Amino acid sequence: SAVISQKPSRDICQRGTSLTIQCQVDSQVTMMFWYRQQPGQSLTLIATANQGSEATYESGFVIDKFPISRPNLTFSTLTVSNMSPEDSSIYLCSVGGGFDYGYTFGSGTRLTVV
Amino acid sequence: RKEVEQDPGPFNVPEGATVAFNCTYSNSASQSFFWYRQDCRKEPKLLMSVYSSGNEDGRFTAQLNRASQYISLLIRDSKLSDSATYLCVVNRSPGGGNKLTFGTGTQLKVEL
Repeated sequence: SAVISQKPSRDICQRGTSLTIQCQVDSQVTMMFWYRQQPGQSLTLIATANQGSEATYESGFVIDKFPISRPNLTFSTLTVSNMSPEDSSIYLCSVGGGFDYGYTFGSGTRLTVV
Repeated sequence: RKEVEQDPGPFNVPEGATVAFNCTYSNSASQSFFWYRQDCRKEPKLLMSVYSSGNEDGRFTAQLNRASQYISLLIRDSKLSDSATYLCVVNRSPGGGNKLTFGTGTQLKVEL
């Protein structure tokens, strides 16, 4: 399965600022996924990032708040913009191993907004 | 109704016990199913895929009942190291965008 390097692993940010999270995969993948896991909750899909096209966002998530870049088949970034304390969460990237196979996750970015 | 529902637990069991988790899903078009394990403050990791015929991996057995739309995970001879949150995960059909939907997880605590 793919190996994903995600950074930063954690950050504490001031409200109103932005944070960019990076994920690097050790192999080329068509789709990368970005998730959020709020405290005590399960994972919620934010968006799907395809190389060469705009990301597809899930209901409740918008590009202005969570812009995503996918410049090539091994790399993606998620930016959390104009942060508020409600954005405090763990953000994870993921790649799939094929429809019937499991997905691999990055180690996550633990974000605290103060 | 949530797309994927699990009993949050916690399930507190003694070492060596057998424990079973169930999960139900609402989208009948779902095609693939997984159990993930998430340790505290860590990312989820794939435990096993779930196949229609049922499948076993060591002490772990997963089963799928498409008619009733539920998935189960059985853990035999529980170890202390099995303590974690177990996430039931469903993948919609390819036409649905190949997206994972996660249950909220069932917490397992294995005790001496």
